[in-house]
Order: sequence, then C-alpha cells, then structure tokens
Amino acid sequence: NAGVTQTPKFRVLKTGQSMTLLCAQDMNHEYMYWYRQDPGMGLRLIHYSVGEGTTAKGEVPDGYNVSRLKKQNFLLGLESAAPSQTSVYFCASSYISLKTYEQYFGPGTRLTVT
Amino acid sequence: KNQVEQSPQSLIILEGKNCTLQCNYTVSPFSNLRWYKQDTGRGPVSLTIMTFSENTKSNGRYTATLDADTKQSSLHITASQLSDSASYICVVTLPQQAGTALIFGKGTTLSVSS
Repeated sequence: NAGVTQTPKFRVLKTGQSMTLLCAQDMNHEYMYWYRQDPGMGLRLIHYSVGEGTTAKGEVPDGYNVSRLKKQNFLLGLESAAPSQTSVYFCASSYISLKTYEQYFGPGTRLTVT
Repeated sequence: KNQVEQSPQSLIILEGKNCTLQCNYTVSPFSNLRWYKQDTGRGPVSLTIMTFSENTKSNGRYTATLDADTKQSSLHITASQLSDSASYICVVTLPQQAGTALIFGKGTTLSVSS
C-alpha cells in the first residue's frame, strides 16, 4: 500500500515549456487535490476532483489544467510554464467527505521555472 | 473572511522541553479543526482531527485543544525530541463537502536542538 505517490520529485523547466505532474493513489479515494506551497504562505488549492471524470477549480487555478481519467490518477498540467509557477506541488486524496475523513498527502514535486 | 492565523511563526526549543503552538481562526461555522506535521521535504501528515464539540485530542506526545468560544486551538508537545523538528499546520474545515472546504494556516516551524 503505497498511499499517494507523485512523479517526478524534482523538475527544472524553462519559461514557456510544458509539463505534466502525475499523482497516483491506491486507497480507492473519491476526492483528489492539487496544492502548491510557497515560502511564507499556506497550502493553496489549485484544482480538485470529486470523482473519476470530474474536475473543479480551486483558489489559484490560472495557468494549470487537470484531468482525472482514472479514479486512481490525477494529472496536473502546465501548458506554458512561468517563473511564478516555481513552487512545491502536493497532491492529496480523501474519501468523500472532509468533515470526518483524513486527507492524505503525497511527498511533493519541487518545480523550478527559469 | 475565513482566516487561520498561527503563532509563533518559528520556535526553537531544547530537546526534552515542552512547547505549545497557537492557532486562531475566524471561520464560523466549521466542521472540524486539524493539526498536521510536515517534515522538511515531505508532505503534511495528520496528527489530530477535532470536531467543534471536542475540547481535546491526543496522539502520543501531541495534545490538541480547542476552545470554540474564543476560536482558538493549541498544540502541546510534551518532552520534545529531535524528530519533532518540523512545520506544524493548523487547518479548519468548512461545512461544505466540496474540495474547497479546507482553510490552511501558514504553519509554525519548530526546531528542537540537543
């Protein structure tokens, strides 16, 4: 039982390049999330999904796209990377309701855009 | 505006000492309040979850308290260890079920020295 995994762990991009971050969970969770974490700021929600085939915008969605084609996977895409997207990205998953259920985080992807 | 404020921003203590971290929130109503521990370079891991009707919750040497009247929570760490060095994040869950339900604090960075 690996929990939540993320690939890659590190990546350096040049401005304008594109990339996809992959998140996978083996806990059969319905909800999945993408966050970014920047120094001096709390975790901010980028996009989330409440089930296979669904996605929704979070607090800071601009410049990112997501897809949830399979229940266990949640992809985060950057179409044209900008230096402002330099950050640590965390994926998380949970059962249906956050009122009582735990949210499990992946180990993070450190992205640098030059 | 729903906000979660944590203090102090950072803290240094000697191994074996106790410490208390503070969390003040303006979120009302809320479903639960969580404390996460985030080791350097890792994703957050849940320590405790308290509903609005609970006053205290323990997890080993970690004890969280909640005062819904004053909208304050604290995390008390007893007999600190070097492995307690981490960032501690307070999170309040709004009643809605959707992915935007979590309000994250910016965290308190704890350093335990020998």
